[in-house]
Amino acid sequence: AQRVTQPEKLLSVFKGAPVELKCNYSYSGSPELFWYVQYSRQRLQLLLRHISRESIKGFTADLNKGETSFHLKKPFAQEEDSAMYYCALSSVRGSTLGRLYFGRGTQLTVWP
Amino acid sequence: GAVVSQHPSWVICKSGTSVKIECRSLDFQATTMFWYRQFPKQSLMLMATSNEGSKATYEQGVEKDKFLINHASLTLSTLTVTSAHPEDSSFYICSARDSTNEKLFFGSGTQLSVL
Repeated sequence: AQRVTQPEKLLSVFKGAPVELKCNYSYSGSPELFWYVQYSRQRLQLLLRHISRESIKGFTADLNKGETSFHLKKPFAQEEDSAMYYCALSSVRGSTLGRLYFGRGTQLTVWP
Repeated sequence: GAVVSQHPSWVICKSGTSVKIECRSLDFQATTMFWYRQFPKQSLMLMATSNEGSKATYEQGVEKDKFLINHASLTLSTLTVTSAHPEDSSFYICSARDSTNEKLFFGSGTQLSVL
């Protein structure tokens, strides 16, 4: 069975400080990992996916298969990064593509 | 950009009645849509996969007779909560997968309150 764990419900940092949101997963097949973000009063939107290996809004995330982790990092947090962040997992292929299993989310607050 | 319209955004109903929630993909076709529910301060839980022209696939523990899903067109999926009870009160979110590029887009959600 699949499981996505985000150990921190709340995370606070000051503007300009580095931030890391943790995500660990368990999945028997070939997973694709995502980070979704939900800003206040807005809908859920994709931040990045591990297959793309890109940096979005200064955020990066590396899939570590050995540690089954997909932590989200940003070297210098900004106030506008304050939001709820969800780590999610999906199967890479087949009929289950697109079925997302979410972690419980981490509320990030960046103080001025 | 691609948008998923979810309607209504909130609904209050009496116990025992049925409620229908619509999920529409605007400007793109979606052969597959997904329905989630979210309890306060908890994560999104996948309920079912809605497939255009065929039966929905439900996740383990989700009652298919309770949560009826219809995906009659490439742009519309509906979730009907039948004989609603207070424990069905939750935030329901849909997502639609663009058939051309496999990208997922989320609706804004529906807050259901059953009295």
